[in-house]
Amino acid sequence: IQVTQSPSSLSASVGDRVTITCRASVDISSYLNWYQQKPGEPPKLLISDASNLKTGVPSRFSGGGSGTDFTFTINSLQPEDVGTYFCQQYDNLPITFGQGTRLEIK
Amino acid sequence: QVQLVQSGAEVRKPGTSVKISCETSGYRFTDFYVHWVRQAPGQGLQWMGLIKPSGGGTAYADNFHGRVAMTRDTSTRTVYLELTNLTSDDTAVYYCAKDWCSTGCFRGMAVWGKGTTVIVSS
Repeated sequence: IQVTQSPSSLSASVGDRVTITCRASVDISSYLNWYQQKPGEPPKLLISDASNLKTGVPSRFSGGGSGTDFTFTINSLQPEDVGTYFCQQYDNLPITFGQGTRLEIK
Repeated sequence: QVQLVQSGAEVRKPGTSVKISCETSGYRFTDFYVHWVRQAPGQGLQWMGLIKPSGGGTAYADNFHGRVAMTRDTSTRTVYLELTNLTSDDTAVYYCAKDWCSTGCFRGMAVWGKGTTVIVSS
């Protein structure tokens, strides 16, 4: 299953609303996760099952969608949100990731 | 708390092999799959496969063409990744990660090790 993520990079201002999309090549129901990776660190799971915010993750992060089209949104971007974001499908093996979106602050 | 502690950086020559360890703690080892994911410099994440610690069963990504093997030692709660016939394209950070779905299912990577850098160079 291919997962196409866009955009590949994004520059936004503090306080902006940011949206990243992932499109799966087949219907994957809600079997999609979102990760944040900061430089020099392993990825961190933010959202599971398309929209389930993990414990301890700030509420400005949210996810939505089902089937083939998914969105990840940061409401009110903060400086500490800089990093790369990945989606990942688990509808079937092999597990596949989106190509990543590099987010920076203007 | 749940921890995955990986072995240190490795440097290998092309054509050789590398074996990386991932020692786990803080949870019931046999209940959760462990994934291996790699990341080449400046690149995205590539899933390599998973191991089922309860019975040692594995599932590998096709694009490693038989070069990958994942094993586990239940007495030490450690999983291993071995990659053979290395090329420069295998230069990457290799992560182990624990799934959050318990007992016979996979969902994704809830807790990650810090990564092991493997450099393949002549």
